[in-house]
Amino acid sequence: EVQLVESGGGVVQPGGSLRLSCVASGFTFSSYEMNWVRQAPGKGLEWISYISGSGATVYYADSVKGRFTISRDNAENSLYLQMNTLRAEDTAVYYCARTSAAGWNFDYWGQGALVTVAS
Amino acid sequence: QTALTQPASVSGSPGQSITISCTGTSSDVGSYNYVSWYQQHPGRAPKLIIYDVSHRPSGVSNRFSGSKSGNMASLTISGLQADDEADYYCSSYRSSSTWVFGGGTKLTVL
Repeated sequence: EVQLVESGGGVVQPGGSLRLSCVASGFTFSSYEMNWVRQAPGKGLEWISYISGSGATVYYADSVKGRFTISRDNAENSLYLQMNTLRAEDTAVYYCARTSAAGWNFDYWGQGALVTVAS
Repeated sequence: QTALTQPASVSGSPGQSITISCTGTSSDVGSYNYVSWYQQHPGRAPKLIIYDVSHRPSGVSNRFSGSKSGNMASLTISGLQADDEADYYCSSYRSSSTWVFGGGTKLTVL
């Protein structure tokens, strides 16, 4: 059974940093591209970052480019999101999501990790 | 990035059919057959229900169907059931190696 479990969420002050983790199980992690998608309270979904299976290729949404860094450790079946210079508008539930083998869509999602940016 | 446009809400009675539209541009929906749809119940993670415009993942009811014409994609749910009440999001691959979601549509089963 495919499982994605996020951790690392919490409350952080504006300008602060936080690192999210997502541990994967039930599939060959290194064979799949992964993503982070977030959802602000009461709002819609926003794709924010992608990483290839090897980790060599990454993409970011303009809203986080230069502040967030996606990475992975295939030996640990883990996906990460390093978030720096956090702003109030980064407050959201952050989901890790697997890109399907067919590509171009997100077939499995974690339960989400809540990040609150507030003073 | 500008989100795809969806109606904020739709409603229907049990047994009826409803359609949710998703309007994009020639940089996303209009250029790629990579439109997907997600169902999200309150407090839960999104679930993939349609991919590549009209394909259903294994285990998803055939009451869900998708289509696309030009810059607009659509999700149709037939034989509405109470459990279909949820938020629905469309998504598309967009040029410049990014993905974009719609703003979401709240489906109410009357």
